[in-house]
Amino acid sequence: AQKVTQAQTEISVVEKEDVTLDCVYETRDTTYYLFWYKQPPSGELVFLIRRNSFDEQNEISGRYSWNFQKSTSSFNFTITASQVVDSAVYFCALSEAGITGGGNKLTFGTGTQLKVEL
Amino acid sequence: DTGVSQDPRHKITKRGQNVTFRCDPISEHNRLYWYRQTLGQGPEFLTYFQNEAQLEKSRLLSDRFSAERPKGSFSTLEIQRTEQGDSAMYLCASRSGQARNTIYFGEGSWLTVV
Repeated sequence: AQKVTQAQTEISVVEKEDVTLDCVYETRDTTYYLFWYKQPPSGELVFLIRRNSFDEQNEISGRYSWNFQKSTSSFNFTITASQVVDSAVYFCALSEAGITGGGNKLTFGTGTQLKVEL
Repeated sequence: DTGVSQDPRHKITKRGQNVTFRCDPISEHNRLYWYRQTLGQGPEFLTYFQNEAQLEKSRLLSDRFSAERPKGSFSTLEIQRTEQGDSAMYLCASRSGQARNTIYFGEGSWLTVV
């Protein structure tokens, strides 16, 4: 069975601070995908990144960066120079990679509430 | 707007009533998913369709829940004889059938059962 753990329930930072959101996952699959989604108060889940299990290169997109470490089953997300607009709940998720069977459904963690204050 | 659309956005109903939610996926996305999210939790998978075929249902989907996608486009999720425990946000998502494509979510339908 797949499992995603986000141990940080809530994080509060002051604007311009860097913040890292942790994600640890469990799966028996050798091929899988990892995701991060952002959920603002409106409720919509906004896709941020997808990573496949064969690609351990870190990725940077503007103020966002992701650190995937297969050896520790972690896929952490860092926001540099945080802004108030970053305040939201962030979810890490996992899916199997096959395009048939299982439908690539996502298994989500419980989310981390990020509050960025002035 | 070409995103996933859900209707209604909010629904308050009395216990025992039936409710139906509609989802319009992104055009030409052949896979459609329903998830449920309760306060403080991550979304949990309920069911998914490939075109009009319902290919998987979670154990969370009790007999009171039924989902359809009759023409392989929009989908409906009906909850019969609602219970207070059904209060949650119901999220719809879609993706294309191509490998490596991402699942895109709608804004969700909030259900409150009083």
